[in-house]
Amino acid sequence: NAGVTQTPKFRVLKTGQSMTLLCAQDMNHEYMYWYRQDPGMGLRLIHYSVGEGTTAKGEVPDGYNVSRLKKQNFLLGLESAAPSQTSVYFCASSYRYGNSYNSPLHFGNGTRLTVT
Amino acid sequence: AQRVTQPEKLLSVFKGAPVELKCNYSYSGSPELFWYVQYSRQRLQLLLRHISRESIKGFTADLNKGETSFHLKKPFAQEEDSAMYYCALIGEYGNKLVFGAGTILRVKS
Repeated sequence: NAGVTQTPKFRVLKTGQSMTLLCAQDMNHEYMYWYRQDPGMGLRLIHYSVGEGTTAKGEVPDGYNVSRLKKQNFLLGLESAAPSQTSVYFCASSYRYGNSYNSPLHFGNGTRLTVT
Repeated sequence: AQRVTQPEKLLSVFKGAPVELKCNYSYSGSPELFWYVQYSRQRLQLLLRHISRESIKGFTADLNKGETSFHLKKPFAQEEDSAMYYCALIGEYGNKLVFGAGTILRVKS
């Protein structure tokens, strides 16, 4: 099992350019998440998905779009990149919410994005 | 709304000293709380969860609903404990994990 795989690992964009970050998991997890990690602010949830074909907004969704066309993949899109989107992006996945507790999140290695 | 506060950005201790990483939360219902850890050049991973009431790598954390805290403790720090530690909470809908800002733990020899 590869677990959660993110591509690319690094990317530099110019302001206004677009790109898509790919997250793939091979654990048959229902839930998938995109977080951004910034110094002093921890991990903030951008968007998440509770199943194939469904997505929802997290804490900081503006400027991002997502799609979950296949259960194993969760794509994060930046339509028009801005310097404020310079960050490290983490994808995570987990099993479906249970009756009394949740499974832990499995994280990818992260994507370091710089927008100049 | 759910909120997790970790007041310390950096905690520096000597090897063998006790460690306490603070975490306070804001949530009106019954939360589920976690500690995640990120070692250098490794993925973020689960350290422990309050519902399990277990000790992992010598760390424990007790949920104190009166003080709305979930502090992480270890009686004797080791150099390999140096890492970034995140406290996290799942609230009412059970599908959004909210993280604190994180605390860097540095254990000096």
